[in-house]
Amino acid sequence: ETGVTQSPTHLIKTRGQQVTLRCSSQSGHNTVSWYQQALGQGPQFIFQYYREEENGRGNFPPRFSGLQFPNYSSELNVNALELDDSALYLCASSLTSTNTGELFFGEGSRLTVL
Amino acid sequence: AQSVTQLDSQVPVFEEAPVELRCNYSSSVSVYLFWYVQYPNQGLQLLLKYLSGSTLVESINGFEAEFNKSQTSFHLRKPSVHISDTAEYFCAVSTNFGNEKLTFGTGTRLTIIP
Repeated sequence: ETGVTQSPTHLIKTRGQQVTLRCSSQSGHNTVSWYQQALGQGPQFIFQYYREEENGRGNFPPRFSGLQFPNYSSELNVNALELDDSALYLCASSLTSTNTGELFFGEGSRLTVL
Repeated sequence: AQSVTQLDSQVPVFEEAPVELRCNYSSSVSVYLFWYVQYPNQGLQLLLKYLSGSTLVESINGFEAEFNKSQTSFHLRKPSVHISDTAEYFCAVSTNFGNEKLTFGTGTRLTIIP
């Protein structure tokens, strides 16, 4: 059973650019959530995908968008990058039907915007 | 909306001493409570959770937390800490079970002093 994997692990972008972060969920999991963790802060919920549909969104602007694919992997896209977008982006997967309440997190993608 | 407060951003503790990491939450509806741990350069891992039933929950590595509804708290305790417990600890709350969208606190960095 493979865990949650994210790519890339680190990347540097400049203001105004666009970025795509990728996540492979744990085998058998059908739900993927994305969180943003700024330096010194707790993770903040961006959005969640269940069976390829957005299933809830946090307080993030529309330039944050996502996709979930039939194999349940996922992408997070951020357009028009701003300096404040610099953070660790965490992907978490879960299996909705099990009702265990547990999210399985990847190690994150650290984005630096200059 | 719900919120989580972790008042202690850093807690230094001598090895083999007891520790308590405080967590208070605010919510207008019933909640489910979690403690996640983030070891250096790793993703978040579930430490323990309260979903229902007994208000005292335990982890496999000696941590315990007690859900106190009247005080809206879910403090984490361990009677004797080890060097390996050095990590950042996040308290989180969810109000919709089965499709967890977690609200995290800002975290407490636990440092064990040899």
